[in-house]
Formats: sequence, structure tokens, C-alpha cells
Amino acid sequence: QSALTQPASVSGSPGQSITISCTGSSSDVGSSKYVSWYQHHPGEAPKLMIYDVSNRPSGVSNRFSGSKSGNAASLTISGLQAEDEADYYCSSYTSSNTQVFGTGTKVTVL
Amino acid sequence: EVQLVQSGAEVKKPGESLKISCKGSGFRFPHCWIGWVRQMPGKGLEWMGIIYPGDSDTRYRPSFQGQVTISVDKSINTTFLQWNSLKASDTAMYYCATPGTGDSWDAFHIWGQGTKVTVSP
Repeated sequence: QSALTQPASVSGSPGQSITISCTGSSSDVGSSKYVSWYQHHPGEAPKLMIYDVSNRPSGVSNRFSGSKSGNAASLTISGLQAEDEADYYCSSYTSSNTQVFGTGTKVTVL
Repeated sequence: EVQLVQSGAEVKKPGESLKISCKGSGFRFPHCWIGWVRQMPGKGLEWMGIIYPGDSDTRYRPSFQGQVTISVDKSINTTFLQWNSLKASDTAMYYCATPGTGDSWDAFHIWGQGTKVTVSP
């Protein structure tokens, strides 16, 4: 049960849009409606940003959106802001009735 | 207020045992899955396992099976993560988290503040 694959880092200027990919397999992302994304600022608890592929919890900015195609999911952050600088992790339910996180992506706002 | 409150930081020696805790409040604890997540220094998040307090149904990521024990005492709304013999490689931050629902596939909407475990001779 390997971690989902994410790019190590993604960067963008304020106001730009960035997309983070999350690649799994037919045993997790490809067969799951339950893909989520978390934002993690160092020293804080992770925060849920997207659940069930594309749903936003109450209070999360609509600048964050999620999608999925085949074995890959994506998180897009539009109108990038300085406060978006953090680590981002995808997660998926698996065919083994467990969950698996992605390798994590460091987002830098230039 | 819906929250998970974890026990404080621990410093232990290799070979020692340890049990850390996570207490839930503000939600129907017996009916909500509670999971544990590890973050080793400089590394990413790792899903360790999850427990359903109602019947203690527990699932582990294969790499953690046999290495840790997840348990619960629903009378005090608390779940535990336990090691019988710590290793230096267990040094990490450990988070508990819950979807706040009875569905194990749901995302973790609520997180504890984390417990830092340091294992050093």
C-alpha cells in the first residue's frame, strides 16, 4: 500500500492559479469517491480543504477546488495568496478499507 | 465545541513502552471513527489506523500492523495509541483525527493538536 504520488513542490505568484496532482492506482484513487485534500502549516494541525473529490467544508475558501480523472486527482488553488503557502496532502480511501495519504506538496507563493 | 484533545509531549528511551491518548468532546464519540496519523521529522503524513469506539473495530495500514496498538475507552471518550517497545524511528508527531461520522471512508474533518514523541537513548 504505497503513498499516493504528488509533486514535491509547486510555486506561483500571488493571484495566479496552481494545480497539485495526486496519482494513485485502481486500488485507491481510481476506485474511490473519497479523495480528500489537507493543508498543513508547520506547527499546526492539518486542515481539511476538500472532501469527496470536490466538496469544500464550511469555511474553506472557494478558491480551492478539487477534481478527479481515472487514477489521478487534482487540487487547484486560484487567486493564490500568501496565506496559501503550506504543505498539501491528498488522501484516498482504498480497496483494503483503509486510507492512504499522498507524499505531500510544498506550495510556495513567490 | 467539537474537539479532540491529545496528551502531552513524551520523551522516552528505546525499549520503553508508551500509551498516548486522544479525548473527544462535542460529538457522538461512540459513533464516530477515530484515526491516528504519523508525521516523522521532515516527512509527510502517514495514515496509521482507525478505530470505531462503538465496537472497537480497528483497521491498520499494513506497515503499522503489529508495531502499534490502537484502543479505546468509550466510557471516557478517549482513544489510545500504544507501543510495547519503542524504537528511535518512532520519533514523530502523532495526530488523532475524526471524520465526525460513522463512515470509515470519510475525510478527517476534526484534528487533535498533536502529540510529539521523542525516543532517544
